[in-house]
Amino acid sequence: DQQVKQNSPSLSVQEGRISILNCDYTNSMFDYFLWYKKYPAEGPTFLISISSIKDKNEDGRFTVFLNKSAKHLSLHIVPSQPGDSAVYFCAAKNSGGSNYKLTFGKGTLLTVNP
Amino acid sequence: ETGVTQSPTHLIKTRGQQVTLRCSSQSGHNTVSWYQQALGQGPQFIFQYYREEENGRGNFPPRFSGLQFPNYSSELNVNALELDDSALYLCASSLATRNYNEQFFGPGTRLTVL
Repeated sequence: DQQVKQNSPSLSVQEGRISILNCDYTNSMFDYFLWYKKYPAEGPTFLISISSIKDKNEDGRFTVFLNKSAKHLSLHIVPSQPGDSAVYFCAAKNSGGSNYKLTFGKGTLLTVNP
Repeated sequence: ETGVTQSPTHLIKTRGQQVTLRCSSQSGHNTVSWYQQALGQGPQFIFQYYREEENGRGNFPPRFSGLQFPNYSSELNVNALELDDSALYLCASSLATRNYNEQFFGPGTRLTVL
């Protein structure tokens, strides 16, 4: 049973346009959400996060939106750059749990074309 | 500040053998988590260690075991290797405080079981 779902395996956008990556979750206990970026042959790199007490968090070109009622979050990248081409993972955790386990989606491969 | 390092980078084993993977945590971090990333999947939580004690375990059999040392480095041991154990094994370190949720990943060890 996948508790974090990224339904788009891949996304292709033009340089300078907006990239929107989506993520859905099913576990109501999740209260903290993170996005990681992964290049080939490297480990995932933390990108941006959001707590369930917020509905938006912005960091430079990256903005994460959280819709708790829909159990949906999205990552917006504006403007997209070729260096953003990577696999993006959505992850979630229950901060009230006894450990810091992250539950990941399967990832979305973003390709930004020059 | 030193990041998370893992060794070896790549490893080839045969079915039934045993393997030990190693991880050095980021400086100042006291918690280490291990994840398995199979091809086309997101990272799956194996277990977490905090102050040398196991602090949560995912849906993995007992032949997956671990250790955390006083310097917070860690080992993942897998006995009786199976073909399905072929994957990228990721180590992530974090600081176990209430408001600190990010985990920082190493580059991973690619294990191939023949």
